[in-house]
Amino acid sequence: KAGVTQTPRYLIKTRGQQVTLSCSPISGHRSVSWYQQTPGQGLQFLFEYFSETQRNKGNFPGRFSGRQFSNSRSEMNVSTLELGDSALYLCASSPGGLGNQPQHFGDGTRLSIL
Amino acid sequence: DQQVKQNSPSLSVQEGRISILNCDYTNSMFDYFLWYKKYPAEGPTFLISISSIKDKNEDGRFTVFLNKSAKHLSLHIVPSQPGDSAVYFCAASAQGAGDMRFGAGTRLTVKP
Repeated sequence: KAGVTQTPRYLIKTRGQQVTLSCSPISGHRSVSWYQQTPGQGLQFLFEYFSETQRNKGNFPGRFSGRQFSNSRSEMNVSTLELGDSALYLCASSPGGLGNQPQHFGDGTRLSIL
Repeated sequence: DQQVKQNSPSLSVQEGRISILNCDYTNSMFDYFLWYKKYPAEGPTFLISISSIKDKNEDGRFTVFLNKSAKHLSLHIVPSQPGDSAVYFCAASAQGAGDMRFGAGTRLTVKP
């Protein structure tokens, strides 16, 4: 069973640009969550999508946005990039139904802002 | 705000001994707790979880303990192996919500 796939693995951008990251969840999983990991900060929750709707949102500025498609694939967009946006962006999927279930992570996209 | 805290950034143990990783949380609405292991250049891998209706869950060498009154959970690894060397994150969520809150991680080093 294929795991969570994130593309691209590495990305270099400059300040002011925008970027789109992609995530393909495990087959059958309908919930996709995005996290930002920076050194010493752990994983900070960005947002969660379920059935093409944003179900939860973290405390990030509006420059960070996302969407989910009918096949549960998700994209995250960051506009007007800042140096502080350099981080590892992780996507996680879970079945998303009722009850507690673990999330399964992809290997992330490492974004570097010059 | 840091709802989930791992106060030890690093831990070093000898192979064969017990590793104990600790985690504290502040949000009493959390009812599901997890531990993840992360190697460099890889995403976190789910290790073990526990629901708030339990105080212990065991899976092979890994046991998670939950003390709800103290809002504290711990992960015990017995016996520790060099392959366990990684960063361990604890996480918590409330009522099936998809927004898990993570601690900052503890880097475990198991020495041969």
